Amino acid sequence: DAGVIQSPRHEVTEMGQEVTLRCKPISGHNSLFWYRQTMMRGLELLIYFNNNVPIDDSGMPEDRFSAKMPNASFSTLKIQPSEPRDSAVYFCASSLGGYTFGSGTRLTVV
Amino acid sequence: RKEVEQDPGPFNVPEGATVAFNCTYSNSASQSFFWYRQDCRKEPKLLMSVYSSGNEDGRFTAQLNRASQYISLLIRDSKLSDSATYLCVVTRGSNFNKFYFGSGTKLNVKP
Repeated sequence: DAGVIQSPRHEVTEMGQEVTLRCKPISGHNSLFWYRQTMMRGLELLIYFNNNVPIDDSGMPEDRFSAKMPNASFSTLKIQPSEPRDSAVYFCASSLGGYTFGSGTRLTVV
Repeated sequence: RKEVEQDPGPFNVPEGATVAFNCTYSNSASQSFFWYRQDCRKEPKLLMSVYSSGNEDGRFTAQLNRASQYISLLIRDSKLSDSATYLCVVTRGSNFNKFYFGSGTKLNVKP
C-alpha cells in the first residue's frame, strides 16, 4: 500500500499565480480531506469529500480556493490567485474510519 | 471557542521522566477521541485511540473524562524518540469522519 500520495512536495510561486495541489487517496478509502497547517492556526479542515461528493466546504477560506474529486482515486485543491498568506503546509488525508495523511505540500507564495 | 484546546508547551523533560498532557473539548456530543503524533516537518500519524475506560499501549496511557470533557496522555520512561508534537483529536455528531484537531503540545525529551 503506497499510502496517500500528494504532489508536489514543495511549491514556491509568485503572488497572483494559480497553484494546483494533487492527492491520490488510499484505494478503497471512501472519504478524502484537505487540511491546511500553519504555526498560528494549527490544522484547519478546508473541505472533505465522501464517495467523491463534497460534503462540507465550510473551511474553505474564500472563493480563491476550490477543490474537486473527479473520481475515487484523485483530488485537486486549487488556489487562484495565490497570496502570500496562503503559505502553509497542505495535507490530504483519506479515511475508512481512521485518518491516513499524505506527506503534505509545503506551499510558499512570495 | 475552539473545539479542542491544548497547552502548546513546549514540555522539556529529561530522558526517563514521566510526562502528561491534557486536552479539553468544548462539545459534550463528542463521540470518539484520539491522540496523534506529528514529527517536525512530517504528517500527523495516529498514536492511539482513547476509550472511556482508559487504555494503555506500552509506555503510553490515555484517559477520557467525559464529565469534565478532557482527555489525557501519559508517557512513562520518556525516550529521546518521543520528542514530537502530540495532537488531540475528537469527532462528534453523526459524522464520525470529521476530525477536530487541537493545535498540539510540543514535547522535547533531553538526554
